[in-house]
Amino acid sequence: DVKVTQSSRYLVKRTGEKVFLECVQDMDHENMFWYRQDPGLGLRLIYFSYDVKMKEKGDIPEGYSVSREKKERFSLILESASTNQTSMYLCASSFPQAGGPDTQYFGPGTRLTVL
Amino acid sequence: QQQVKQSPQSLIVQKGGISIINCAYENTAFDYFPWYQQFPGKGPALLIAIRPDVSEKKEGRFTISFNKSAKQFSLHIMDSQPGDSATYFCAASLGSNYQLIWGAGTKLIIKP
Repeated sequence: DVKVTQSSRYLVKRTGEKVFLECVQDMDHENMFWYRQDPGLGLRLIYFSYDVKMKEKGDIPEGYSVSREKKERFSLILESASTNQTSMYLCASSFPQAGGPDTQYFGPGTRLTVL
Repeated sequence: QQQVKQSPQSLIVQKGGISIINCAYENTAFDYFPWYQQFPGKGPALLIAIRPDVSEKKEGRFTISFNKSAKQFSLHIMDSQPGDSATYFCAASLGSNYQLIWGAGTKLIIKP
């Protein structure tokens, strides 16, 4: 079974703090994604990476950065946390399938509260 | 043009009833339409998916109906059970693009 793990289930930080969210997948997947999930807004893509050290902005990259130094690990960084970044953060991974789109496999999420 | 609009936002169905969730899209180039299911405290997981060359796909109690001309697709859950209570997301993707365009989600509650 594919396993995607996220470093924390719950996290409480203060405004202005630097926050690191870590994601690790164990299936050698090439693609990794960071989403935030808010009620009524669904899943919004923050960043994704299709290879080590490669990254592309998603729909809402402002206030976030990412790092992918190893294939299995994708980190989301909030340089200076703000209250409007309080949300559920979901990491996902996928691998290219011949002739078809990928299935994304999700971690359990990190609920981040910024006070 | 990149949006996928999902309705309703929430749905309550009696046990044994049929749950129906609808999605609409604008971009006719989309060629893959998955549904993901998310239980509380878990990440979403792929439930069922369809391509536009078929009008219906069934897996157990779950059926996707696809109407290409109307640019709509829907998820039907037959004989709905309390264990089906979850949030359901429709999505769409374009060719070999690995990104998914997500609907806003539907919180489904099945009453015993």
